Amino acid sequence: EIVMTQSPATLSVSPGDRATLSCRASQSLTINLAWYQQKPGQAPRLLIFGASTRATGIPARFSGSGSGTEFTLTISSLQSEDFATYYCQQYNNWPYTFGQGTKLEI
Amino acid sequence: QVQLQQSGPGLVKPSQTLSLTCAISGDSVSSNSVVWNWFRQSPSSGLEWLGRTYYRSKWYNDYALSVKSRITVKADTSKNQFSLHLSSVTPEDTAVYYCARAAGATLFDLWGQGTLVAVSS
Repeated sequence: EIVMTQSPATLSVSPGDRATLSCRASQSLTINLAWYQQKPGQAPRLLIFGASTRATGIPARFSGSGSGTEFTLTISSLQSEDFATYYCQQYNNWPYTFGQGTKLEI
Repeated sequence: QVQLQQSGPGLVKPSQTLSLTCAISGDSVSSNSVVWNWFRQSPSSGLEWLGRTYYRSKWYNDYALSVKSRITVKADTSKNQFSLHLSSVTPEDTAVYYCARAAGATLFDLWGQGTLVAVSS
């Protein structure tokens, strides 16, 4: 099973800041990586797939990069609605696995 | 608009069976291009995939090793829904449970609203 490690666990930022979240895989994924956003009391929402492709309706301030074992989610200018927990998920090998999440807090 | 609507009890007694249903609107449980999944989430375990069912000329199921001896995921084509049954529950099974669709079997693009299930006497 591929282990996904996210860092940092918590990131303290301010509205308007740029946020950079990291995700590392225990083996190569090529680009078979997705990012999800989860707000308190809500289900996860798909943000990014294929490491860098935004899902339908996702604002351009969200961008993903990376390949192999190292991936990054960047939020270019944080809006108040972006304060949430973000999870990476690999879908290169079954079973598909998630990281433990990075919480963005003010 | 595709939606998943979860239903089921929020409280289950230890040793009993936890049962939840996920009703699908706007898609078909028998679709050949998607997979129907159950997850749970707790502060201690994070987001945990539990099991899935899908139709590819016949029905298939896969389960997480951690619950494999206790879990059943079933599709009901007459009601266009799928269900989760987790037997012999303990307080460690207390979590928010989610159903989710996997488009192309890989990306979880649609989720139910979540059901908090507490296991307690």
